Amino acid sequence: TQLLEQSPQFLSIQEGENLTVYCNSSSVFSSLQWYRQEPGEGPVLLVTVVTGGEVKKLKRLTFQFGDARKDSSLHITAAQPGDTGLYLCAALRGNNRKLIWGLGTSLAVNP
Amino acid sequence: DTAVSQTPKYLVTQMGNDKSIKCEQNLGHDTMYWYKQDSKKFLKIMFSYNNKELIINETVPNRFSPKSPDKAHLNLHINSLELGDSAVYFCASSQPHGINNEQFFGPGTRLTVL
Repeated sequence: TQLLEQSPQFLSIQEGENLTVYCNSSSVFSSLQWYRQEPGEGPVLLVTVVTGGEVKKLKRLTFQFGDARKDSSLHITAAQPGDTGLYLCAALRGNNRKLIWGLGTSLAVNP
Repeated sequence: DTAVSQTPKYLVTQMGNDKSIKCEQNLGHDTMYWYKQDSKKFLKIMFSYNNKELIINETVPNRFSPKSPDKAHLNLHINSLELGDSAVYFCASSQPHGINNEQFFGPGTRLTVL
């Protein structure tokens, strides 16, 4: 059973388009992180959200944590080829320090 | 300058061989990890060490043996390599008292077993 479901699994869009990817669960999390992994590299932390309903912005990327802290979304405005990569969400539950990982959304932004 | 480094970057070997991957972090973190990423890109934790002590040991064949000589280093030795061991192995570290356990990853080691 996968605790963190990410959708879509794959996404191929043209430069300039907007997109949203989702990270969903039936469990409540104490915090949730988004990472981006570029081909041939390790994942790099983009943001951590902690409070239900929290919205964080990182340039053209907007991250939201659901009110109930069970889900999160990542919205990219005017996607660029440099946004291409695997977007992974990972979360902590309660006092357990082991991260739970989603399966990722593989994004390709075509010039 | 590199925060988390791994060697080698690529490793191609024959089935049955024994190989090691090395990892070092200069971030001053107490906790280090080994992850395996398969061809479907799923990132699966294998081991975690906190200040040289094993704290997470997932269901991993005992052919895999981690070793942490000090808190800045975590190496992975694999005995009797099998075809299914082919994957990308990532080392990571996290802050000693970071409440969110944010991970800092190395560049990965792509292991190919022939």
